[in-house]
Amino acid sequence: DAKTTQPNSMESNEEEPVHLPCNHSTISGTDYIHWYRQLPSQGPEYVIHGLTSNVNNRMASLAIAEDRKSSTLILHRATLRDAAVYYCILRDASNYQLIWGAGTKLIIKP
Amino acid sequence: SAVISQKPSRDICQRGTSLTIQCQVDSQVTMMFWYRQQPGQSLTLIATANQGSEATYESGFVIDKFPISRPNLTFSTLTVSNMSPEDSSIYLCSAAWQVGGPHEQYFGPGTRLTVT
Repeated sequence: DAKTTQPNSMESNEEEPVHLPCNHSTISGTDYIHWYRQLPSQGPEYVIHGLTSNVNNRMASLAIAEDRKSSTLILHRATLRDAAVYYCILRDASNYQLIWGAGTKLIIKP
Repeated sequence: SAVISQKPSRDICQRGTSLTIQCQVDSQVTMMFWYRQQPGQSLTLIATANQGSEATYESGFVIDKFPISRPNLTFSTLTVSNMSPEDSSIYLCSAAWQVGGPHEQYFGPGTRLTVT
């Protein structure tokens, strides 16, 4: 299974953009890049996914490197409610299994 | 989107007993999954709950320890059998709609199990 590497934790100021990096150097051509987040004492929540092109939705943007070996989740204007563990996950198109790494704990400072 | 509920939300059980966790989805879904999340750790997939057939277990998890049922497209149960303190964890149910497509999984709030 392809693996992802993320920083253990990051800090950001409220109202500022946040860039959460993820390395996935062993990604295969059929792997989708998914991001989930888990707020304290809650189940994980889907954030965004992509394959090759950059993606935007109401929660965040996903920037994917041209060689697909890395990606960055962008929160355009972080709020205190964005404090969570963010997981970058590769999912093969042929199945639904999500292989979870350790994630990045995002701390938002007021 | 889907709303997923789990019962119980938490429980404290004695070793050697069993606990059944229920997962209810507010709409019919193709796939349902059970995960375990130990304190401060990431999620580990236990099994895929298959409607009308035996669940598909991941390496390290067996049916005798974690029997799973899925009688229809909106409901599943996970039983943690013959519990030991090492089974203390959060158990999460998730659901998704379509195999092969990049659709998101929706998660329940989890069941926090403590085994004494």
